Amino acid sequence: SSELTQDPAVSVALGQTVSITCRGDSLRTYYANWYQQKPGQAPVLVIYGKNNRPSGIPDRFSGSSSGNIASLTITGAQAEDEADFYCNSRDNSGNHWVFGGGTKLTVL
Amino acid sequence: QVTLKESGPVLVKPTETLTLTCSVSGFSLSNARMGVSWIRQPPGKALEWLAHIFSNDEKSYSTSLKSRVTISRDTSKSQVVLKMTNMDPVDTATYYCARMTIWGSYRPFDAFDIWGQGTVLTVSS
Repeated sequence: SSELTQDPAVSVALGQTVSITCRGDSLRTYYANWYQQKPGQAPVLVIYGKNNRPSGIPDRFSGSSSGNIASLTITGAQAEDEADFYCNSRDNSGNHWVFGGGTKLTVL
Repeated sequence: QVTLKESGPVLVKPTETLTLTCSVSGFSLSNARMGVSWIRQPPGKALEWLAHIFSNDEKSYSTSLKSRVTISRDTSKSQVVLKMTNMDPVDTATYYCARMTIWGSYRPFDAFDIWGQGTVLTVSS
């Protein structure tokens, strides 16, 4: 399968740690990237490759992977982290890109 | 500063052909480590990758939309164009263009690192 699967919704208490997962066969070959999207805004890349953060992304965001599962971890979640998060990668063929279905993160 | 900006109609009728333009600045469409994709998002739904154009002008298309979509570029104008035929109300979405950058050498990896603001399209008669 070339699909990426995410849990639809996850919640975290303010200041606590949360992980958002992404599952897919292609993740055994390709890294997952993670994007944060707030309402009415374009997605923003937060983690790419093995575990890289673009300039300006807080270090509370980190990425990891094992087998066919990639994870985005937010250590010490802040209110401003509340958003939709999408994973993406190449598909099994390597010739196309796919996105996960998105996870809505609520910070309580 | 790297920017991408989408432009095109706000409304198209069913069966019409859509043409969207992505105007880029701050990088070259011929940069070997960069490319541009079109990605869309129906209201309240997930992101969907549509098409990609590489620095060498090679193209890649979503399997499900390949028969309807064409991507092209004009390097002199720094523009990437998406054409989608036979539009349907289910194609109503925000359409984004995004730069893809490739990193690494031994095990290259890529990501959509810069996105346009998106252009909202409604398909309705």
